[in-house]
Parts: sequence; C-alpha cells; structure tokens
Amino acid sequence: GAGVSQTPSNKVTEKGKYVELRCDPISGHTALYWYRQSLGQGPEFLIYFQGTGAADDSGLPNDRFFAVRPEGSVSTLKIQRTERGDSAVYLCASSSQTGLHTQYFGPGTRLTVL
Amino acid sequence: AQKVTQAQTEISVVEKEDVTLDCVYETRDTTYYLFWYKQPPSGELVFLIRRNSFDEQNEISGRYSWNFQKSTSSFNFTITASQVVDSAVYFCALTVNAGNNRKLIWGLGTSLAVNP
Repeated sequence: GAGVSQTPSNKVTEKGKYVELRCDPISGHTALYWYRQSLGQGPEFLIYFQGTGAADDSGLPNDRFFAVRPEGSVSTLKIQRTERGDSAVYLCASSSQTGLHTQYFGPGTRLTVL
Repeated sequence: AQKVTQAQTEISVVEKEDVTLDCVYETRDTTYYLFWYKQPPSGELVFLIRRNSFDEQNEISGRYSWNFQKSTSSFNFTITASQVVDSAVYFCALTVNAGNNRKLIWGLGTSLAVNP
C-alpha cells in the first residue's frame, strides 16, 4: 500500500512568513509524528498525535509552531513568523495501533527560510 | 534521560567487506525498544529492525545482522559482504514504553560509504 506522503517536497519562504506543511499517513495508522532534521543530525521529535489529539507536544520549540490533525488522518504542521533557524527537513511518520513503537517515515519537506 | 551514541561518524569500506556499525544506548527504563533506520541519499528514512528490551536474541536478515547485548547497552549492526547500494546514513534510535511517550531518541548517525 501507499506509504506516508508529505507535501510540498520543498518549500522556500522568506523570514517572517507563515508556512504549512502537510502529512498524509499510511491508511489506518492511528498515530502520527512530526520530527525535524538538520544537516548532519538525527531527527528531533516535535509532536505526536494519537487520533485527533496531541498526546505529546513536548518537542515543539516555541509557540510559533503548531500542528493539527482534525479528522485523525492528515496532519498539518504550521509555523508562524518563520526564522532562518527553522530551516530543516521536516519529517512525518505514522504507526499502527498494534505496532505503536514502529514508525514509518515519509520523504520529508525541505524548508528553507531566506 | 535517554541517550543514543553512535561513535562512528563515517565509515568507508570496499565492496564485499563486512562492516559493523556501533550503537550504545542509555536508559533507566526496563522496557524499551531499539531501532535501526537507513537514510539513503534520497533522504527517506527506511525502517530496518525493532528490538524490545526483553528479547536479546540476535537477528539475521539476509546480509544484515544485529547483536543486542543488554550487559553493555549495545545494539550493533553488521552488514556482511557490503554492496554499493548499502551506502547511506544509518541511525540507531531508542524509545521507552512509558505512558504516552512514543518519541524516538536518535543517535547522530553513521555515514557508510561502500566503494566499488
């Protein structure tokens, strides 16, 4: 079946602008995760959804970052007043109810803030 | 606190050589899960294996094998008879089974170059 998909694959924006990144998980997966990865680093956890609710948002760096999953499927990561330091690859992953600890990743969105 | 250390930043081998990627982890939890992911140049993280803390059996999958040793808190990954297609960054990761926690704690990755 289809894997995790993310759009756009690349996003270039200017400092101070607002951006939205979309994630479409594997069909039937109840859990969804957002990470971001900077060059030469491992992924950094941002937020985890179980169904529609954020079960753990401890990784969101500040209140400019927000994520939603209104129908328990697609999720949108929203970044307000972008800063150059937000430039990274934003990764989305999903996992099933029975395999909660195994996360399957999408191709990522490369965000560049000029 | 949990931590994953991959001491090898870069490894370069010639095709058909065996190579071992090291992973050392730290956690005080008794129930936890360890993972290896592969990130090829295309960038997408590919799941390779999951091991829970109660299962210390080593595992072999084709040319890949994993050695889990709780006594040394290590979960090493060996590729036998390496191939050029194995060139990628390999990440070791850890998650603990506690409440709503599902976050993966990652090492910095080991970049493997397999040369023809």
